[in-house]
Amino acid sequence: DTGVSQNPRHKITKRGQNVTFRCDPISEHNRLYWYRQTLGQGPEFLTYFQNEAQLEKSRLLSDRFSAERPKGSFSTLEIQRTEQGDSAMYLCASSLRGGYGYTFGSGTRLTVV
Amino acid sequence: KQEVTQIPAALSVPEGENLVLNCSFTDSAIYNLQWFRQDPGKGLTSLLLIQSSQREQTSGRLNASLDKSSGRSTLYIAASQPGDSATYLCAVRNLIQGAQKLVFGQGTRLTINP
Repeated sequence: DTGVSQNPRHKITKRGQNVTFRCDPISEHNRLYWYRQTLGQGPEFLTYFQNEAQLEKSRLLSDRFSAERPKGSFSTLEIQRTEQGDSAMYLCASSLRGGYGYTFGSGTRLTVV
Repeated sequence: KQEVTQIPAALSVPEGENLVLNCSFTDSAIYNLQWFRQDPGKGLTSLLLIQSSQREQTSGRLNASLDKSSGRSTLYIAASQPGDSATYLCAVRNLIQGAQKLVFGQGTRLTINP
């Protein structure tokens, strides 16, 4: 297993378009997280899955955002009707239960023009 | 609400120096604290994980300490090298039942000059 994989690495889209990102976690990790990071800031929590159940969502996750993790494997994050303020790095992480640390992917950089 | 602060925001030192990065958090009821490294435009690489019951962790030239009662952690880098240049982030996981998210500081941008 080569770690957490995110695709695409970069996405440029026009304002108002929909975009979807994919995250493949480490196979034995049952927990999956999405974070958003803007320039010069630390990552901010968006949402968290345990297996296929979405257990927590941040207030940052507006109605235009939706995340899924079918069958508890890979996850997708969709942003509808993108806005320029959505431009950021979207990071995915996975972990085992309990006190284990998080492993992050390389991120997807979204630019909305 | 947990808040994490990292000081300084940026640091530039000559190669070979030993240095300390600081991280403070407002709520001492944490489950663990993790230090990450981030290269420009890249994802996060985990450096060290300290459980709340531990005082420090070491990996190679890196040593992280945790003083939960005072809400502080430090990352010590020995004999710095140009390859250590990156942004260093600390993050805490709160000790609240069901809490899973990490709360990050804004990072310290480190530059090691040859």
